[in-house]
Amino acid sequence: DAKTTQPTSMDCAEGRAANLPCNHSTISGNEYVYWYRQIHSQGPQYIIHGLKNNETNEMASLIITEDRKSSTLILPHATLRDTAVYYCIVRAIYGQNFVFGPGTRLSVLP
Amino acid sequence: NAGVTQTPKFQVLKTGQSMTLQCAQDMNHNSMYWYRQDPGMGLRLIYYSASEGTTDKGEVPNGYNVSRLNKREFSLRLESAAPSQTSVYFCASSSTGDPSYEQYFGPGTRLTVT
Repeated sequence: DAKTTQPTSMDCAEGRAANLPCNHSTISGNEYVYWYRQIHSQGPQYIIHGLKNNETNEMASLIITEDRKSSTLILPHATLRDTAVYYCIVRAIYGQNFVFGPGTRLSVLP
Repeated sequence: NAGVTQTPKFQVLKTGQSMTLQCAQDMNHNSMYWYRQDPGMGLRLIYYSASEGTTDKGEVPNGYNVSRLNKREFSLRLESAAPSQTSVYFCASSSTGDPSYEQYFGPGTRLTVT
């Protein structure tokens, strides 16, 4: 599975959009991009995933660049409850393993 | 619909003791997973079960055994606990092993080995 690179930490003002970047320059054509978050040592929570098209659901939007070497998770109106560690993961079609790196610690500030 | 449940929530063991961590899911998922998370780090896969009756090693299987008891339950056993196994253990499940399906995680078991 391809390796990902994320900033260690980010801050965002409450009510503003939070844009979390992820680099996955070695991604293969059959690898999906996943985003999870973990709030205060709870179990990781699924947010969104995509292969090559941009995706949106009730929680977030995922923007994947055309060359698929990077992506951005967008939380459109961040709240204090969005403070968490966000993990960007790429996973191959035949791989069982979700490789969780250190992630980005997002702090939403009042 | 409880999702993924884990027992116990907390456990303290002495070095050399054994214990079994229990995991159950009620989503009729085929695949189940065990991860460990050490302080300040991401999750690492210990074992997984792609379907009932099969188990395979993940990234860090040494010191652990697993049993896929039935489609719902997947247990993790520490035969002789060591301080290096102090960690938070998460169980997860997914509909299949296909990466287009997301994994759902349980609340975790916090294990301390003294």
